[in-house]
Amino acid sequence: GAVVSQHPSRVICKSGTSVKIECRSLDFQATTMFWYRQFPKQSLMLMATSNEGSKATYEQGVEKDKFLINHASLTLSTLTVTSAHPEDSSFYICSARDADSPLHFGNGTRLTVT
Amino acid sequence: SQKIEQNSEALNIQEGKTATLTCNYTNYSPAYLQWYRQDPGRGPVFLLLIRENEKEKRKERLKVTFDTTLKQSLFHITASQPADSATYLCALEGPTGNQFYFGTGTSLTVIP
Repeated sequence: GAVVSQHPSRVICKSGTSVKIECRSLDFQATTMFWYRQFPKQSLMLMATSNEGSKATYEQGVEKDKFLINHASLTLSTLTVTSAHPEDSSFYICSARDADSPLHFGNGTRLTVT
Repeated sequence: SQKIEQNSEALNIQEGKTATLTCNYTNYSPAYLQWYRQDPGRGPVFLLLIRENEKEKRKERLKVTFDTTLKQSLFHITASQPADSATYLCALEGPTGNQFYFGTGTSLTVIP
């Protein structure tokens, strides 16, 4: 149980375009979803936390207008990287939890901006 | 802000030995601490959770300790196997209880 599906797994986009990443909890209701960013050989950096039906809470230094997060339902959260630039290239991972459960992670999205 | 450090970036041990990984935090003590395993190109997978009032937690070959005085957690893998090779991450809840922050991670390699 507790499967989180993240799509796409890989995406290549041109500089200046926007990319949407979806994160779905398949067999549980995710009251809270988290978005992380991971650079090569580095740990996960929390970008934002979102609760269903409310605005996301962004970590310091993360631009909310650049990384748009929508948590429209208890099973779906999306991260949109707007006007992407090469420095936005990274591994983006979502995770979800139901109440006080541990975090369940998706398998990440490798974003490459050319 | 909370700083979470894990002992070494990389740890190599012989198969059959016990691997010990360390997680140290600097600020407030969380109500619980978690350990995750991450394989290359994949999302982390939850392994164990230990609460502040628990000294030790075990699951099969895994053992976790939590010392709130030292602000440290130790993660042990006994009778290690090559399949245990992965990056191990500790995670702490944030001060508001609605964020999770991860440590720097330790890349473990078990040599056959």
